[in-house]
Amino acid sequence: SQQGEEDPQALSIQEGENATMNCSYKTSINNLQWYRQNSGRGLVHLILIRSNEREKHSGRLRVTLDTSKKSSSLLITASRAADTASYFCATDAYQDGGNQFYFGTGTSLTVIP
Amino acid sequence: NAGVTQTPKFQVLKTGQSMTLQCAQDMNHNSMYWYRQDPGMGLRLIYYSASEGTTDKGEVPNGYNVSRLNKREFSLRLESAAPSQTSVYFCASTQSGLVNEQFFGPGTRLTVL
Repeated sequence: SQQGEEDPQALSIQEGENATMNCSYKTSINNLQWYRQNSGRGLVHLILIRSNEREKHSGRLRVTLDTSKKSSSLLITASRAADTASYFCATDAYQDGGNQFYFGTGTSLTVIP
Repeated sequence: NAGVTQTPKFQVLKTGQSMTLQCAQDMNHNSMYWYRQDPGMGLRLIYYSASEGTTDKGEVPNGYNVSRLNKREFSLRLESAAPSQTSVYFCASTQSGLVNEQFFGPGTRLTVL
C-alpha cells in the first residue's frame, strides 16, 4: 500500500493551544496536501505544499515538508473548538495524464473549550 | 454551483444484491475518483478516471466496476454486494495537472447485511 500514516492517531488539547500532527509517506511526490473532515462529512482541502517547498502558511495553518524524510507536519495555532475534526494528509503523483492521490490514516483532533 | 453531488446518501443492501452509486460534478473537472473510508483506514482509492473515456484501478478495486458516463458523471457499481463492502463511499473530482486540490462529495453510507 502507498497509503501514508498520520501521527498521532488522536490528539486532545485545550482551546488556545497549538496542535501539531505529522504525516509520513512512502513514494516520491509532486505535492502534499492536507484535508479536514468533520464528522459525517466529506473532506475539505486546507493547504497544498509543493515538493520543492519546505514551509507554507495559510492563516493559522503552517505546513512543513521534508522530502528527504518523506514527512510533513501540520501546525494549527491558537486552536478553537471549531477545529475539532479529523485531518488527513494526501500525496499526489501526476502520471498518465491524471493525478492519483494517496491518503493517510488521519489524526482525530479534539479541541476542548 | 453544487460542486460534487452523490446519491444516495444512505443505502442498506442484502448480501448478493447489486447497486450503483452515482456521482456528478459541475466544475468541468477532468478527473474523478471513488474512495471508500473505513474506520481507522483513512481513504482508499477504488477507481479513478483521469479524463472522460478512461478509467483505472486504484488500490482496492475488487468487487467494483465504474463507468465514466460523460465528463460530469462517474458511477460506481457493486455487482454482488458483500458485508466487507460496508463502508462510506466518497466521490471526488479535480482538474488534472501538477498542482490541484480535490473536491469531495458528501459521501454515501452503505451497509451490507
